[in-house]
Amino acid sequence: GAVVSQHPSWVICKSGTSVKIECRSLDFQATTMFWYRQFPKQSLMLMATSNEGSKATYEQGVEKDKFLINHASLTLSTLTVTSAHPEDSSFYICSARWGQGFSNQPQHFGDGTRLSIL
Amino acid sequence: QQQVKQSPQSLIVQKGGISIINCAYENTAFDYFPWYQQFPGKGPALLIAIRPDVSEKKEGRFTISFNKSAKQFSLHIMDSQPGDSATYFCAASRGGATNKLIFGTGTLLAVQP
Repeated sequence: GAVVSQHPSWVICKSGTSVKIECRSLDFQATTMFWYRQFPKQSLMLMATSNEGSKATYEQGVEKDKFLINHASLTLSTLTVTSAHPEDSSFYICSARWGQGFSNQPQHFGDGTRLSIL
Repeated sequence: QQQVKQSPQSLIVQKGGISIINCAYENTAFDYFPWYQQFPGKGPALLIAIRPDVSEKKEGRFTISFNKSAKQFSLHIMDSQPGDSATYFCAASRGGATNKLIFGTGTLLAVQP
């Protein structure tokens, strides 16, 4: 149980294009989803937290107009990297959890999306 | 205060040996401490987690030791196997598992056959 699926797993695109990454919870309803970025041989850095039906909360230093997050349903969140440039190349990982408040439910992670901007 | 410091950066262990990874934190409001395992090109997978009211938790070959007064916790992998070779991250959050995780810097473990 608690499977989180990300799509695509790998994408290469030209500089200036926008890229959309999907994150789905397959067997549970995700009240909260998190988006992380991970550079090679580095740790995961939280970009934003999204709750179903409300605006995402971005971490300090993350451009909300650059990284658009939509959590339209309890099983789907999307991250759109707008006008992507080579410095946006990274490994993007989502996680999801269910339950409200102090629910003791852990975050479950997807397998990530490797984004390469040429 | 939001940082979680992790050591060592890399670790080489012989098959059958014990792998030990350490983490330290400053924020006493943290109340949930998970460990994640990540293989190359994959997302992290939850291994084991502990709360500060417990000093030790064991699940199979994996044990977390927690020292609240020292603000330190560690992961012990007993009888390490080549299949355990991966990057391990400790993390911490406050407000339980629901709140955002602060990750350590990661430890690359190599278990030699």
